[in-house]
Amino acid sequence: EDQVTQSPEALRLQEGESSSLNCSYTVSGLRGLFWYRQDPGKGPEFLFTLYSAGEEKEKERLKATLTKKESFLHITAPKPEDSATYLCAVQDSGSWGKLQFGAGTQVVVTP
Amino acid sequence: GAGVSQSPSNKVTEKGKDVELRCDPISGHTALYWYRQSLGQGLEFLIYFQGNSAPDKSGLPSDRFSAERTGGSVSTLTIQRTQQEDSAVYLCASSEAAGRIDEQYFGPGTRLTVT
Repeated sequence: EDQVTQSPEALRLQEGESSSLNCSYTVSGLRGLFWYRQDPGKGPEFLFTLYSAGEEKEKERLKATLTKKESFLHITAPKPEDSATYLCAVQDSGSWGKLQFGAGTQVVVTP
Repeated sequence: GAGVSQSPSNKVTEKGKDVELRCDPISGHTALYWYRQSLGQGLEFLIYFQGNSAPDKSGLPSDRFSAERTGGSVSTLTIQRTQQEDSAVYLCASSEAAGRIDEQYFGPGTRLTVT
């Protein structure tokens, strides 16, 4: 059975203090790994898709990387507006459409 | 352009009543998904529609849950004889197709409270 584990559960950062979030996964075959951002009371907002080990993608202060067993979301010099819950999800090669989500990492960035 | 929309945004119902939740996907998206997010838990897949193919219902938790998609666009998730454990945020997502480019774009959700 597919499993997605995110750590830490919560992260409190000072503005400008860079850090990384971890997403470890177990799937029979990976079609894609997805990162989303979710603000309170809103639906998840798509950030990145990673398809193969070694792939990296960047968007503003965020950079996502992928290995065969885990993905990292690096937040460089975060700002208070980066405060959100970050969700990781995987799509198994045998499961068209269905995403398996982790529980998320809640990030709070203080000025 | 317009994103995924869902209605109502909030629904309070009494235990045992039926509820219908609506989702309007992004125009042109052929794939539509329903997920459930319970307090303190991750998103849980419920059902997936792709074009005219038979839906993947593997995530529906019981036969009280059903969904349909009319005309390949709007979808309705129906929960019959609601129970307190059905209280959650129900999220709808759509994507261009279940192919290589399959990023799912989510709506704002419907918060369901069963009293």
